[in-house]
Parts: sequence; structure tokens; C-alpha cells
Amino acid sequence: QVQLRESGPGLVKSSGTLSLTCDVSGGPISRYFWHWIRQSPGKGLEWIGSISYTGKTKYNPSLGSRVSISADVSRNQFSLNLASATSADTAVYYCARAFSETDFDSWGQGALVTVSS
Amino acid sequence: DIQMTQSPSSLSASVGDRVIITCQASQHIANFVNWYQLKPGKAPKLLISDASNLERGVPSTYSGSGSRTDFTFSISSLQPEDSATYYCQQSFDHPITFGQGTRLEIK
Repeated sequence: QVQLRESGPGLVKSSGTLSLTCDVSGGPISRYFWHWIRQSPGKGLEWIGSISYTGKTKYNPSLGSRVSISADVSRNQFSLNLASATSADTAVYYCARAFSETDFDSWGQGALVTVSS
Repeated sequence: DIQMTQSPSSLSASVGDRVIITCQASQHIANFVNWYQLKPGKAPKLLISDASNLERGVPSTYSGSGSRTDFTFSISSLQPEDSATYYCQQSFDHPITFGQGTRLEIK
């Protein structure tokens, strides 16, 4: 059974880069699709972007060019970078697997990231 | 972007009750809707995919239906462990979007 776990700094300075890593165990990331999703305080879920088993990425246009997702097959992990962070980026960040590109069948428990000046 | 309008935003019901949550898409999305359960501190869980397909291991008290723009999610015979926030999600097109969520409280 695949398991995902988010890791990274819980506090990021405003205008800095928010960086998180998702460690995947129980299955290779060279299959399926791998996503980042966030939930801001008191708000709903927002899809950030994804990377496929071929390395193709897709991003939410609402985040513009600030977001990038990459994968390290040798470490079986994938990462999120969100540049020029503001307080609006404060959220619980989830990594998730999708077996059919857009159906999130496995999730991490989430990591709270606070952006503060 | 496809907007998913979910209602109600919160709900309070008793053990044994049946509850229904609805989601309306801003355009035709066939049956490309999934439903998730979120509990604080736990990994979110996919309950239903493709509008009505119950995921393996999910109790049969959960069900989903709908197509095109209107979708429903229901829980029959509520149990205390059903207390959670539930979200619909459209998987028809990018960017992937979610409903606003329904917080379910068990009285």
C-alpha cells in the first residue's frame, strides 16, 4: 500500500520560496500521477499542480509562474517550489497520488506551512 | 475554470440519520466527479469516483449519483465516525477544482 509523507520548513519568510518534498513508499513514482493540493485556513481545497510518470507537469494558472514541481525517481520523491510566497500561501499542503491522472486515491497527512514577514 | 457549487456548507445530524450533499458544476462534466472525506490530522480519503463508483473498502452506507451538472453524495445511517468535512471534485478538465466543502457534525 502506497504511503506519502510531506516534509519541509513549517515557516517561510514573505517573498521567499516555499519548498516541500513528498516521500513516497510502497510503490514507485515512475508510475501514475503525483499532485500537490493545499487548504488555506478556513477555506476549501485548491489544486496546485502535478507531475506525471513521464515527467510532464501541469499547474493551476491561478498560481502563474510561481509554481514548479519536480521528481527524483532515484529517491522516490517529488517536490514543490512556490516562489515569491505571501501570507495568502499559508496553508496545509498535501501531496497525493492519482492513478488515473485526476482521481486522488492516496494522500499524505498534510504539512502546515506559514508564510510570515 | 469549472466551478463546483457544493451545499450545504455545514450540516448537523443524528446517529442513524441519512444526509445528502449536493454539488453543481458550472458546465457539463459527464460523470467526472469524485468525493473525499477530510478529518483533521489524517490523510484525506477518496470515497467515490466517477460520480457513483464506491472505492474499495469504503462502507456501503456511502453512495453517489448524478451526471452532467448535478451530483449528490449521501450517507445512510450516520455513525459517529462520519463526522468530517466532505468535498466534491471535478476531474473533467484542468485546472482541477473542488467544491467549497460540507462540514458534517454528528449531534
